Amino acid sequence: GQSLEQPSEVTAVEGAIVQINCTYQTSGFYGLSWYQQHDGGAPTFLSYNGLDGLEETGRFSSFLSRSDSYGYLLLQELQMKDSASYFCAVTSKSGGYQKVTFGTGTKLQVIP
Amino acid sequence: DVKVTQSSRYLVKRTGEKVFLECVQDMDHENMFWYRQDPGLGLRLIYFSYDVKMKEKGDIPEGYSVSREKKERFSLILESASTNQTSMYLCASSSFGRGMNTEAFFGQGTRLTVV
Repeated sequence: GQSLEQPSEVTAVEGAIVQINCTYQTSGFYGLSWYQQHDGGAPTFLSYNGLDGLEETGRFSSFLSRSDSYGYLLLQELQMKDSASYFCAVTSKSGGYQKVTFGTGTKLQVIP
Repeated sequence: DVKVTQSSRYLVKRTGEKVFLECVQDMDHENMFWYRQDPGLGLRLIYFSYDVKMKEKGDIPEGYSVSREKKERFSLILESASTNQTSMYLCASSSFGRGMNTEAFFGQGTRLTVV
């Protein structure tokens, strides 16, 4: 089967840096994605890592180590609007097609 | 602007009713997914489809079925609704990226309450 683990809650101060970790177990791994979801909203895509290393998009960066089955999302210069839930998601091969499985989410609270 | 549209934002149904949740995407995506979201459990995959008339079970398919008669439309069916199916249901679509970036686009969700 598949499993993903990430912390359930994280609190950080406005302007600081926060890292949200994700470990996974899966077969047929293609890549790791990150999604943001504000309360009452739909999840929206942040980043995708198919290869090892760091991907940077503005204040957000995402890292993947395929050998460690581990990735993280790094948020810099935190803003109040970053308060949301963050989900890691694994894209994997399923019967020759693609399946996207999500973690349970990390609720980030940014405080002044 | 890409769009995934779910037919209802809120729905209240009675136990035992047959319920249809509809999802339409306008991006010509091959893949479509149905998830349910419950507090503390994240998004759990119910069914997905990679082509018209094709479907695969996800992690929690029991009590659900799906239909994909047209590429743009993916329906989730609760054959006989039960109170434990009260949840937020999210539809998503993505292109078949062959291992490349497979960004999924989500609808706004349908909050279903079964009474």
